[in-house]
Amino acid sequence: QLVLTQSPSASASLGASVKLTCTLSSGHSSYTIAWHQQQPEKGPRFLMKLNSDGSHSKGDGIPDRFSGSSSGAERYLIISSLQSEDEADYYCQTWGTDIQVFGGGTKLTVL
Amino acid sequence: EVQLVESGGGLVQPGGSLRLSCAASGFTFSTYFMHWVRQAPGKGLEYVSGISSNGGSTFYADSVKGRFIISRDNSKNTLYLQMGSLRVDDMAVYYCAKGDRSNGVGATVYWGQGTLVTVSS
Repeated sequence: QLVLTQSPSASASLGASVKLTCTLSSGHSSYTIAWHQQQPEKGPRFLMKLNSDGSHSKGDGIPDRFSGSSSGAERYLIISSLQSEDEADYYCQTWGTDIQVFGGGTKLTVL
Repeated sequence: EVQLVESGGGLVQPGGSLRLSCAASGFTFSTYFMHWVRQAPGKGLEYVSGISSNGGSTFYADSVKGRFIISRDNSKNTLYLQMGSLRVDDMAVYYCAKGDRSNGVGATVYWGQGTLVTVSS
């Protein structure tokens, strides 16, 4: 079964960097995922697609501070030079032949 | 600029029906897979349904299969979600989203602002 696992929460200081993790279920380590950001009271925003080899393609207007990397079944979203507006929920997403799957989301707090 | 504007949400009683619409602009609507994704109050994102660019293939989450119907009118650049036999656990903000390809589920790369569906007696 295709499942994505995310830690419920993370925190980092203003100006620092943070690495969020999304883990693919067993047997699905080659899957491409997407990362989305949802700021409070707003709709989601597509950040990037991230392949198993770590290559990624970002959405329109996404700052260079956002990047991605991969290792095995883990997909990472790295945010550098954290700003207050980065405080948001972050969701990973993947897809199969006839379904999309979302992770449970990580709530990022900027201290 | 890609724009997706949902409408049709509102209050409906359990067992009732509702049709959501999503008006798309800023891209060639007829060449992209489209999705509906929902978010219950205080919860995460949940995939609802998807439709291929020509409408020939549709996909549904098990939670809505047999109750919801997705469709599109490429001449009007509009996506629809007909929802029937609504339950309290269908209450959510429903987002329209643009896919990244014409066929096959794929990722969602643009999102609307959502429309709220409230199911309550």
